[in-house]
Amino acid sequence: NAGVTQTPKFQVLKTGQSMTLQCAQDMNHNSMYWYRQDPGMGLRLIYYSASEGTTDKGEVPNGYNVSRLNKREFSLRLESAAPSQTSVYFCASSETWEVGHTIYFGEGSWLTVV
Amino acid sequence: QQQVKQSPQSLIVQKGGISIINCAYENTAFDYFPWYQQFPGKGPALLIAIRPDVSEKKEGRFTISFNKSAKQFSLHIMDSQPGDSATYFCAASNTGSARQLTFGSGTQLTVLP
Repeated sequence: NAGVTQTPKFQVLKTGQSMTLQCAQDMNHNSMYWYRQDPGMGLRLIYYSASEGTTDKGEVPNGYNVSRLNKREFSLRLESAAPSQTSVYFCASSETWEVGHTIYFGEGSWLTVV
Repeated sequence: QQQVKQSPQSLIVQKGGISIINCAYENTAFDYFPWYQQFPGKGPALLIAIRPDVSEKKEGRFTISFNKSAKQFSLHIMDSQPGDSATYFCAASNTGSARQLTFGSGTQLTVLP
């Protein structure tokens, strides 16, 4: 019962460094998402992929890029990390993009940019 | 712009009591309202959800009450248990072009034994 798996769990970056957060789901879901969670602000959508081969910007896309590598995998890249990107990142997936389908979240990646 | 406002930020309830968390939204196009439960170190998990064609939905000890005219919805946890201690997020989305989930800021619930 892996569900949504994301790596790494914890990461410390220096300002200006780059890194990629990896995400994979084993539920044969079509849609995948990247959210960030900051204290007092709930979860905010960074990017999403409604289906394999498509990606779109969410609410807070600046400073990030994504790749839908295949149906299972959806990666998030920080090209030049900034302290404002210190956050907890969640990958998620759902059967389809249609409203009403349950979104399943991974356990999160804690990123600190110093 | 926070389209879903959640309160309170934190809540402490005695075991067996009723926990009530409130959310208000602005976008009248929203037509799907889920609640998520998040334990420390874990990702959020769907708890219960409601569509605006009903005023209430109950699943076990968890009930969503929905007031379309007031643009408000709330989560009631009856007979609260220490195992319910978690952060709860309300959310909303619509079936139109902007089908993204918009989350509230979260409520940290502590149920005392």
